[in-house]
Amino acid sequence: KAGVTQTPRYLIKTRGQQVTLSCSPISGHRSVSWYQQTPGQGLQFLFEYFSETQRNKGNFPGRFSGRQFSNSRSEMNVSTLELGDSALYLCASSLAQGGATEAFFGQGTRLTVV
Amino acid sequence: AQSVTQLDSQVPVFEEAPVELRCNYSSSVSVYLFWYVQYPNQGLQLLLKYLSGSTLVESINGFEAEFNKSQTSFHLRKPSVHISDTAEYFCAVSEMDSSYKLIFGSGTRLLVRP
Repeated sequence: KAGVTQTPRYLIKTRGQQVTLSCSPISGHRSVSWYQQTPGQGLQFLFEYFSETQRNKGNFPGRFSGRQFSNSRSEMNVSTLELGDSALYLCASSLAQGGATEAFFGQGTRLTVV
Repeated sequence: AQSVTQLDSQVPVFEEAPVELRCNYSSSVSVYLFWYVQYPNQGLQLLLKYLSGSTLVESINGFEAEFNKSQTSFHLRKPSVHISDTAEYFCAVSEMDSSYKLIFGSGTRLLVRP
Protein backbone atom coordinates (compact mmCIF):
# COMPACT_ATOMS: atom_id res chain seq x y z
CA LYS A 1 0.00 0.00 0.00
CA ALA A 2 1.51 3.32 -1.07
CA GLY A 3 2.14 5.90 1.64
CA VAL A 4 1.34 9.60 1.70
CA THR A 5 2.97 11.35 -1.24
CA GLN A 6 3.88 15.02 -1.20
CA THR A 7 5.11 16.96 -4.19
CA PRO A 8 7.39 18.66 -4.75
CA ARG A 9 9.95 17.68 -2.11
CA TYR A 10 11.85 20.95 -2.36
CA LEU A 11 10.82 24.38 -3.52
CA ILE A 12 12.47 27.79 -3.67
CA LYS A 13 10.29 30.85 -4.10
CA THR A 14 10.74 34.60 -3.95
CA ARG A 15 8.98 36.89 -1.49
CA GLY A 16 5.62 37.99 -2.77
CA GLN A 17 5.08 34.94 -4.97
CA GLN A 18 2.52 32.26 -4.29
CA VAL A 19 3.02 28.52 -4.04
CA THR A 20 0.89 25.38 -4.26
CA LEU A 21 1.84 22.15 -2.52
CA SER A 22 0.23 18.81 -3.24
CA CYS A 23 -0.59 15.82 -1.09
CA SER A 24 -1.91 12.42 -2.16
CA PRO A 25 -3.23 10.46 0.83
CA ILE A 26 -3.14 6.74 1.40
CA SER A 27 -5.81 5.02 -0.66
CA GLY A 28 -9.09 4.96 1.25
CA HIS A 29 -8.16 7.76 3.61
CA ARG A 30 -10.61 10.64 3.49
CA SER A 31 -8.99 13.01 5.95
CA VAL A 32 -5.97 15.13 5.06
CA SER A 33 -4.28 17.45 7.53
CA TRP A 34 -1.48 19.93 6.98
CA TYR A 35 1.23 20.98 9.41
CA GLN A 36 3.99 23.57 9.28
CA GLN A 37 7.32 22.73 10.89
CA THR A 38 9.87 25.44 11.68
CA PRO A 39 12.83 25.52 14.08
CA GLY A 40 11.27 28.37 16.03
CA GLN A 41 7.62 27.36 16.26
CA GLY A 42 7.90 23.59 15.93
CA LEU A 43 5.02 21.62 14.45
CA GLN A 44 1.82 23.59 14.06
CA PHE A 45 -1.56 22.47 12.73
CA LEU A 46 -2.67 24.37 9.64
CA PHE A 47 -6.00 22.79 8.63
CA GLU A 48 -7.81 19.54 7.99
CA TYR A 49 -10.07 18.47 5.17
CA PHE A 50 -12.54 15.63 5.13
CA SER A 51 -14.68 14.77 2.13
CA GLU A 52 -13.77 18.05 0.42
CA THR A 53 -14.79 20.15 3.46
CA GLN A 54 -12.50 22.04 5.79
CA ARG A 55 -13.34 20.81 9.28
CA ASN A 56 -10.80 22.67 11.33
CA LYS A 57 -8.28 25.45 10.88
CA GLY A 58 -5.25 26.44 12.90
CA ASN A 59 -4.14 29.91 13.82
CA PHE A 60 -2.63 31.00 10.52
CA PRO A 61 -3.35 34.07 8.37
CA GLY A 62 -5.71 33.94 5.42
CA ARG A 63 -2.73 33.72 3.05
CA PHE A 64 -2.72 30.03 3.87
CA SER A 65 -5.52 28.12 2.21
CA GLY A 66 -6.25 24.65 1.00
CA ARG A 67 -8.70 22.42 -0.72
CA GLN A 68 -9.49 18.77 -1.16
CA PHE A 69 -10.66 17.07 -4.29
CA SER A 70 -13.19 14.28 -4.71
CA ASN A 71 -10.37 11.70 -4.86
CA SER A 72 -9.16 12.98 -1.43
CA ARG A 73 -6.02 14.53 -2.86
CA SER A 74 -5.33 17.89 -1.26
CA GLU A 75 -3.52 21.06 -2.16
CA MET A 76 -2.25 23.81 0.05
CA ASN A 77 -1.71 27.32 -1.22
CA VAL A 78 0.29 30.15 0.29
CA SER A 79 -0.07 33.57 -1.32
CA THR A 80 2.17 36.62 -0.98
CA LEU A 81 5.02 34.60 0.46
CA GLU A 82 7.06 35.98 3.34
CA LEU A 83 10.51 34.96 4.51
CA GLY A 84 8.91 33.49 7.64
CA ASP A 85 6.95 31.02 5.54
CA SER A 86 10.13 29.06 4.96
CA ALA A 87 9.39 25.72 6.57
CA LEU A 88 8.84 22.03 6.11
CA TYR A 89 5.18 21.49 5.26
CA LEU A 90 3.88 18.08 6.24
CA CYS A 91 0.72 16.40 5.12
CA ALA A 92 -0.94 13.60 7.06
CA SER A 93 -3.79 11.34 6.08
CA SER A 94 -6.11 9.23 8.20
CA LEU A 95 -9.33 7.30 7.97
CA ALA A 96 -10.97 9.67 10.50
CA GLN A 97 -14.20 7.72 10.63
CA GLY A 98 -14.81 8.17 14.31
CA GLY A 99 -12.86 6.96 17.29
CA ALA A 100 -9.10 6.89 17.39
CA THR A 101 -7.48 7.23 14.00
CA GLU A 102 -3.80 7.13 13.28
CA ALA A 103 -2.24 9.88 11.16
CA PHE A 104 0.27 8.83 8.52
CA PHE A 105 2.70 11.52 7.42
CA GLY A 106 4.33 12.21 4.11
CA GLN A 107 7.99 13.17 3.78
CA GLY A 108 7.10 16.82 3.48
CA THR A 109 7.79 19.70 1.14
CA ARG A 110 10.63 21.95 2.16
CA LEU A 111 9.80 25.49 1.10
CA THR A 112 12.49 28.14 1.09
CA VAL A 113 11.47 31.75 0.55
CA VAL A 114 14.24 34.10 -0.55
CA ALA B 1 -7.05 23.75 24.80
CA GLN B 2 -4.30 21.21 24.97
CA SER B 3 -0.58 21.69 25.29
CA VAL B 4 2.40 19.37 25.33
CA THR B 5 5.69 19.98 27.08
CA GLN B 6 8.92 18.21 26.29
CA LEU B 7 11.36 19.64 28.77
CA ASP B 8 14.52 18.22 27.21
CA SER B 9 15.48 19.72 23.85
CA GLN B 10 18.42 17.33 23.50
CA VAL B 11 19.37 14.12 25.26
CA PRO B 12 22.88 12.75 24.66
CA VAL B 13 23.42 9.13 25.64
CA PHE B 14 25.97 6.41 25.00
CA GLU B 15 25.10 3.38 22.93
CA GLU B 16 23.52 0.50 24.91
CA ALA B 17 22.61 2.85 27.78
CA PRO B 18 18.98 3.34 28.86
CA VAL B 19 17.11 6.51 27.98
CA GLU B 20 13.96 8.33 29.02
CA LEU B 21 12.40 11.16 27.03
CA ARG B 22 9.92 13.13 29.08
CA CYS B 23 6.52 14.34 27.97
CA ASN B 24 3.84 16.11 29.99
CA TYR B 25 0.53 17.32 28.65
CA SER B 26 -2.29 19.56 29.69
CA SER B 27 -5.89 19.12 28.62
CA SER B 28 -9.37 19.69 29.98
CA VAL B 29 -10.77 16.77 27.97
CA SER B 30 -9.78 13.18 27.41
CA VAL B 31 -7.01 12.74 24.89
CA TYR B 32 -5.10 10.19 22.89
CA LEU B 33 -1.31 10.25 23.23
CA PHE B 34 1.36 9.58 20.64
CA TRP B 35 5.08 9.47 20.13
CA TYR B 36 6.42 10.20 16.66
CA VAL B 37 10.00 9.93 15.42
CA GLN B 38 11.57 12.04 12.70
CA TYR B 39 14.82 11.16 10.97
CA PRO B 40 16.75 13.90 9.08
CA ASN B 41 14.94 15.18 6.01
CA GLN B 42 12.04 12.83 6.60
CA GLY B 43 8.45 13.06 7.69
CA LEU B 44 7.07 11.76 10.96
CA GLN B 45 6.69 8.09 11.76
CA LEU B 46 4.40 6.85 14.50
CA LEU B 47 6.40 5.11 17.20
CA LEU B 48 3.58 4.21 19.59
CA LYS B 49 0.22 5.38 20.82
CA TYR B 50 -2.01 5.24 23.85
CA LEU B 51 -5.70 5.12 23.11
CA SER B 52 -7.18 3.21 26.05
CA GLY B 53 -6.65 0.10 28.13
CA SER B 54 -3.23 -0.85 29.43
CA THR B 55 -1.24 2.22 30.40
CA LEU B 56 2.01 0.66 29.17
CA VAL B 57 2.39 0.60 25.40
CA GLU B 58 5.28 -0.82 23.41
CA SER B 59 6.71 -0.40 19.95
CA ILE B 60 8.26 -3.08 17.77
CA ASN B 61 11.75 -1.63 18.11
CA GLY B 62 12.05 -1.75 21.89
CA PHE B 63 10.59 1.60 22.94
CA GLU B 64 7.84 1.78 25.52
CA ALA B 65 5.79 4.57 27.07
CA GLU B 66 3.58 4.68 30.11
CA PHE B 67 0.49 6.82 30.44
CA ASN B 68 0.20 8.34 33.90
CA LYS B 69 -3.09 10.16 34.22
CA SER B 70 -2.44 11.61 37.68
CA GLN B 71 0.85 13.12 36.56
CA THR B 72 -0.42 13.86 33.03
CA SER B 73 2.71 12.31 31.62
CA PHE B 74 3.59 9.95 28.78
CA HIS B 75 7.35 9.40 29.07
CA LEU B 76 9.17 7.36 26.43
CA ARG B 77 11.79 4.82 27.50
CA LYS B 78 14.19 2.35 25.97
CA PRO B 79 16.41 0.07 28.07
CA SER B 80 19.29 -0.02 25.57
CA VAL B 81 19.67 2.44 22.69
CA HIS B 82 21.43 1.98 19.36
CA ILE B 83 23.21 4.47 17.13
CA SER B 84 20.30 4.14 14.71
CA ASP B 85 17.93 5.57 17.34
CA THR B 86 19.49 8.99 16.82
CA ALA B 87 16.57 11.16 15.69
CA GLU B 88 14.09 13.75 16.89
CA TYR B 89 11.19 12.49 18.96
CA PHE B 90 7.87 14.29 19.25
CA CYS B 91 5.16 13.72 21.79
CA ALA B 92 1.65 14.62 20.64
CA VAL B 93 -1.93 14.62 21.88
CA SER B 94 -5.29 14.76 20.19
CA GLU B 95 -8.79 15.23 21.56
CA MET B 96 -10.84 12.07 21.46
CA ASP B 97 -13.57 13.68 19.37
CA SER B 98 -11.18 15.29 16.87
CA SER B 99 -8.38 12.80 16.65
CA TYR B 100 -7.21 14.10 13.28
CA LYS B 101 -5.74 17.26 14.88
CA LEU B 102 -2.46 16.67 16.67
CA ILE B 103 -0.87 19.07 19.14
CA PHE B 104 2.87 18.48 19.27
CA GLY B 105 5.54 19.13 21.82
CA SER B 106 8.68 20.97 20.79
CA GLY B 107 10.61 17.77 20.27
CA THR B 108 13.60 16.07 21.88
CA ARG B 109 16.71 15.30 19.88
CA LEU B 110 18.13 11.96 20.96
CA LEU B 111 21.84 11.78 20.20
CA VAL B 112 23.33 8.32 20.66
CA ARG B 113 27.10 8.25 20.87
CA PRO B 114 29.35 5.19 20.35
